[in-house]
Amino acid sequence: KQEVTQIPAALSVPEGENLVLNCSFTDSAIYNLQWFRQDPGKGLTSLLLIQSSQREQTSGRLNASLDKSSGRSTLYIAASQPGDSATYLCAVRRDFGNEKLTFGTGTRLTIIP
Amino acid sequence: NAGVTQTPKFQVLKTGQSMTLQCAQDMNHEYMSWYRQDPGMGLRLIHYSVGAGITDQGEVPNGYNVSRSTTEDFPLRLLSAAPSQTSVYFCASSYSSASGNTIYFGEGSWLTVV
Repeated sequence: KQEVTQIPAALSVPEGENLVLNCSFTDSAIYNLQWFRQDPGKGLTSLLLIQSSQREQTSGRLNASLDKSSGRSTLYIAASQPGDSATYLCAVRRDFGNEKLTFGTGTRLTIIP
Repeated sequence: NAGVTQTPKFQVLKTGQSMTLQCAQDMNHEYMSWYRQDPGMGLRLIHYSVGAGITDQGEVPNGYNVSRSTTEDFPLRLLSAAPSQTSVYFCASSYSSASGNTIYFGEGSWLTVV
């Protein structure tokens, strides 16, 4: 059974710093991995999706990497801003066309002005 | 564009009561799913549907029922509410293509069972 872990559960950093969030998964047989953002009292918003054949994806100040063989992904946030404060979740998909996601428990990020 | 709409946003139930959480999407997605989110446990899949008339169980289906009579709607029924079903429930709709997957979540339904 696939298990997805995110450590730490919470992280506080001063504004302007670069930071890395971690995601690890136990079964490397994945189709893709997705990073989401969740604001308090809201649903999830997709940030980046990395296919199993890719090493990284970038969107603005966000960069996600994937090392499938070691079961790890990282989300790099450059020049953090208070608006980046949210919970970040990663999720893996096993097969193409299989929309069942296995989620990590999330990292709650607080950017200190 | 409404996306995924969930109702109600908040609900308090007594143990043993039944209720239905509504979910509707206007993007013509074939795939819809229900997750529950509990502290320290991430999101867990309850039930999902790959199209109208087709549903299947996820990781934690006990105590819940679903149906998919139309592409747009995917209601989640709690048959006899229990305190263990106190949670935040999210509905999602999505589709897969060769270039990737697109998934949209509703804003959640907060359910308390007393």
